[in-house]
Amino acid sequence: SQTIHQWPATLVQPVGSPLSLECTVEGTSNPNLYWYRQAAGRGLQLLFYSVGIGQISSEVPQNLSASRPQDRQFILSSKKLLLSDSGFYLCAWTADKAPLQYFGPGTRLTVT
Amino acid sequence: SQQGEEDPQALSIQEGENATMNCSYKTSINNLQWYRQNSGRGLVHLILIRSNEREKHSGRLRVTLDTSKKSSSLLITASRAADTASYFCATAPRSNDYKLSFGAGTTVTVRA
Repeated sequence: SQTIHQWPATLVQPVGSPLSLECTVEGTSNPNLYWYRQAAGRGLQLLFYSVGIGQISSEVPQNLSASRPQDRQFILSSKKLLLSDSGFYLCAWTADKAPLQYFGPGTRLTVT
Repeated sequence: SQQGEEDPQALSIQEGENATMNCSYKTSINNLQWYRQNSGRGLVHLILIRSNEREKHSGRLRVTLDTSKKSSSLLITASRAADTASYFCATAPRSNDYKLSFGAGTTVTVRA
C-alpha cells in the first residue's frame, strides 16, 4: 500500500534562516506531488506541484522554492524565512491522471 | 486562489443529528471533492462527484452537485463524536484537473 511521509512534524525557525521540508511517497511510482500551505483556520493554498522529476510548477510568487530530485521525493525550501511563511505545510500525491489526493501528516512551521 | 466557499463556517450539532454544509464555486469544473481534516492532521479524501453526476452516497455521507448553481452540499447523517473535524470542498477545473482549489472549510463539532 502507498504511504506518504513528511518531516519534520514541527519546526520553529528564526526569521532569515533557511528552510528544508521533505516529503516522500512509498508504494507507487511516478506520482504527481503537491505542496500546500494552510494558514490557521483557513483552506489550503497550492504552492507547487510536480508531474515528474525536475518538473515543478509554481502557483504563487513567494519566498519559497520546490525541487523533486527523485521520483518520490519532493522538497520545499527557502533561503531566508519570513514571518509570513509560518503555517501548516502539507504534501500530497496523486496517481497519474487520478483525481484523488492523498495527504501527508503535515509540518507545523513557526517563524519567530 | 480559493475557488470554493463553504457555508456555514462552523456548525455545532448533537450526536445523532444530521449535519449539512454547502460549497459554492465560480468556474466550470471537472469534478468536486470533499475532504475531512481532524485538528492538526492531514486531509482525508471522503467522496468525489463528477460534473455529470447529481448525487452520490458513501456510507453516512451524501453529496449533491448542482452545476447550474455552481454549488454542492455534503450531508452527514446520524453524526457521531468522531465526525468532529473540518470539512473542505475542492474543485478541479476543466482546464487542469491536476490542480485542486480548496475552500476555507466548515468546522463541525458533534456534542456527545
